[in-house]
Amino acid sequence: KAGVTQTPRYLIKTRGQQVTLSCSPISGHRSVSWYQQTPGQGLQFLFEYFSETQRNKGNFPGRFSGRQFSNSRSEMNVSTLELGDSALYLCASSPRGVGIEQYFGPGTRLTVT
Amino acid sequence: DQQVKQNSPSLSVQEGRISILNCDYTNSMFDYFLWYKKYPAEGPTFLISISSIKDKNEDGRFTVFLNKSAKHLSLHIVPSQPGDSAVYFCAASDSGATNKLIFGTGTLLAVQP
Repeated sequence: KAGVTQTPRYLIKTRGQQVTLSCSPISGHRSVSWYQQTPGQGLQFLFEYFSETQRNKGNFPGRFSGRQFSNSRSEMNVSTLELGDSALYLCASSPRGVGIEQYFGPGTRLTVT
Repeated sequence: DQQVKQNSPSLSVQEGRISILNCDYTNSMFDYFLWYKKYPAEGPTFLISISSIKDKNEDGRFTVFLNKSAKHLSLHIVPSQPGDSAVYFCAASDSGATNKLIFGTGTLLAVQP
């Protein structure tokens, strides 16, 4: 079974621009979560989608948004990029509803200049 | 407020010996705990998990112990191998409603040949 895939793997953007990152979960997984990893803050939860509905949201500004499609693929969008948004963005999928291990993709490395 | 803490930023162990990684949590609502291993520029790899109804779970060389009264869990790796060198994250979940994971800050394990 193919793992979680994320595209693109690397991205360089300029302050003020917007960016869309994509995640394809493991086949059959309906839950997709997004995390941001930075050296200073570690791994922080952004949001989770289950059956196209946002089920939970972390403490991030409204510039961070996401969505999930009927095939469980997910996208996250960051508008009006700031230098502090430079991070590794990780997507994870889970086979069942709740309380189950999540499987992470390789991440998208976003650099904002 | 750091709900999940890994107080040792790094640990060095000789090959063949036991590695013990520790994690403390503060939120008594957490009922599912996981350990992940991470290499630089890659996503975390799921290692082992434990539900709060258990106090031990074993999978090959990896054993996780949970002490609910102390709000403490530990990961034992026996015997340690050079390929185990990576950053280890513990994560916790209140699995009742969501797959949101709260991660610790990680411990860098170095296994010396």
